[in-house]
Amino acid sequence: NAGVMQNPRHLVRRRGQEARLRCSPMKGHSHVYWYRQLPEEGLKFMVYLQKENIIDESGMPKERFSAEFPKEGPSILRIQQVVRGDSAAYFCASSPPTGRDTEAFFGQGTRLTVV
Amino acid sequence: AQSVAQPEDQVNVAEGNPLTVKCTYSVSGNPYLFWYVQYPNRGLQFLLKYITGDNLVKGSYGFEAEFNKSQTSFHLKKPSALVSDSALYFCAVRDMVRGTDKLIFGTGTRLQVFP
Repeated sequence: NAGVMQNPRHLVRRRGQEARLRCSPMKGHSHVYWYRQLPEEGLKFMVYLQKENIIDESGMPKERFSAEFPKEGPSILRIQQVVRGDSAAYFCASSPPTGRDTEAFFGQGTRLTVV
Repeated sequence: AQSVAQPEDQVNVAEGNPLTVKCTYSVSGNPYLFWYVQYPNRGLQFLLKYITGDNLVKGSYGFEAEFNKSQTSFHLKKPSALVSDSALYFCAVRDMVRGTDKLIFGTGTRLQVFP
């Protein structure tokens, strides 16, 4: 059972370009979460999705950021018109259908650098 | 609101000595607490969790954590540290209030184990 797969591992974008980050959850996991880690900081929650539904996007910036988890295919975190402050590591996590005693498994992350 | 605090940015310990990484929590309702470890340029790896039951939780790589309700703490411990334990450790609380499901992370504690 492969773990949570994120790609690309590293992404360089010029200011104003779009960044697309992909996340394939573990097999059997229907819940996906995105977190952002700024340099030398902890992880901050961005969004929680289930298949075709955004459950909680309270951590997403109001503009330029969007996320989806379609019925088929990976979850996508999309950042439009990137700025230098978007440079960070973006981690995806997945978990099985919610239960109190389950834990989330994290991918290796995508390190976005905006130049 | 659910939160965790890690009061130490860094913990230094000699190899073979016991180690403790501190975490305190503030929650409404029952606490669901987790420890994750992050090695350089890697994702987060799950170490252990407290959901209910025994206050002493055993996890991966010889780590354990003690849940203390009266002190609202969930300190991570290991009887004998290894140089390979050097990494960034995150305490987290699971927030399942009002239909969401997300981890709220502490700021992290860097553990340095010296030979």
